[in-house]
Amino acid sequence: GQQVMQIPQYQHVQEGEDFTTYCNSSTTLSNIQWYKQRPGGHPVFLIQLVKSGEVKKQKRLTFQFGEAKKNSSLHITATQTTDVGTYFCAISNDYKLSFGAGTTVTVRA
Amino acid sequence: DAGVIQSPRHEVTEMGQEVTLRCKPISGHDYLFWYRQTMMRGLELLIYFNNNVPIDDSGMPEDRFSAKMPNASFSTLKIQPSEPRDSAVYFCASSHSGANVLTFGAGSRLTVL
Repeated sequence: GQQVMQIPQYQHVQEGEDFTTYCNSSTTLSNIQWYKQRPGGHPVFLIQLVKSGEVKKQKRLTFQFGEAKKNSSLHITATQTTDVGTYFCAISNDYKLSFGAGTTVTVRA
Repeated sequence: DAGVIQSPRHEVTEMGQEVTLRCKPISGHDYLFWYRQTMMRGLELLIYFNNNVPIDDSGMPEDRFSAKMPNASFSTLKIQPSEPRDSAVYFCASSHSGANVLTFGAGSRLTVL
């Protein structure tokens, strides 16, 4: 089935800095979702992107869907300690969601 | 709504014992999913149901695993007999067909000794 690759696997960020994590697919996607899992917690839905080139913002988080609908990015500005966790992208095949391996973010205060 | 409710939150058992994990989805959600999360394999879909009917169980590792959904408000994932390699966090999630967005439960952390 369809798979996605997330890079980087780990992201160590100085508080206040920006970073970007990427999700790449070899096939065209109908949509892509992003989830966040805090340490010891469960995945929580953040956003869904559907249209080619779509950009959505949630406060300091900016999500983008590639023009070819084969990749997506999550950019976080002015990283805070509350951003710690693992960010997953997920792709759907009918109602079946497959998750990437995630990018685990740690923040240096 | 209280969200997706899973029990137990933690389970420690010995190899060979039967383990039953339980899930109550969000009322009105017609899809229910069981995922397993490990460091090595990440989040794996085990099985999912639509309107209480199993749709795809291709992710179930082997015959030791079984899942049921006797009604719209309850599902179980059973492992019999359990093995140490089954140690993982098992998540239940539900969604509404109109949204295709998953709401996860808090998970059941299983340790098989």
